[in-house]
Amino acid sequence: AQSVTQLGSHVSVSEGALVLLRCNYSSSVPPYLFWYVQYPNQGLQLLLKYTSAATLVKGINGFEAEFKKSETSFHLTKPSAHMSDAAEYFCAVSSNTGPASKLTFGTGTRLQVTL
Amino acid sequence: GAGVSQSPSNKVTEKGKDVELRCDPISGHTALYWYRQRLGQGLEFLIYFQGNSAPDKSGLPSDRFSAERTGESVSTLTIQRTQQEDSAVYLCASSSYTGLAGGPFQETQYFGPGTRLLVL
Repeated sequence: AQSVTQLGSHVSVSEGALVLLRCNYSSSVPPYLFWYVQYPNQGLQLLLKYTSAATLVKGINGFEAEFKKSETSFHLTKPSAHMSDAAEYFCAVSSNTGPASKLTFGTGTRLQVTL
Repeated sequence: GAGVSQSPSNKVTEKGKDVELRCDPISGHTALYWYRQRLGQGLEFLIYFQGNSAPDKSGLPSDRFSAERTGESVSTLTIQRTQQEDSAVYLCASSSYTGLAGGPFQETQYFGPGTRLLVL
């Protein structure tokens, strides 16, 4: 069984400040981990993914995440927030046991960026 | 097309009516997934199709929900006798995978814009 916990349903940061969105996972098998972003009235867009290669994963729009097995975490960071980063962010986990695996999502974190 | 498309984008229906939602995956993608996103919640897995294998229906919430897919093309999600708790955004995703020699599979699911269903 797999699960994802995202701490903080709402996070507010100032423009230019560090963004940190937390994600902890539970998985009985080595996981694949994903961060998706959802802008208002749009579908989900992949930001980055971890698939057992490098533990520090760089994604689009300046985001990155680090896989820490000892902490079962995959937190998303960005050094400097931009107004356009305001969106909802979802962490997800899947197993790597086959070519098609369903994603288990966290409940999401809504990021607000203020001036 | 370049991405996953879904239709209709919005659907308002009366309680007890049947609805049919459509998903066009990215061409060549062998796997297709349906998820449901209720207001203020994360995505719930409903069903997925992988090639000609039997679909994984483990996420369907009741027998009022069913889905079909013809080959590796279009899929339809049908909800019979809709209830107000069925109101949600229904998202479709498709994926392909890269099998690495001696290593695990990788896949990325690409999502459509969703169908927003409102049951009155």
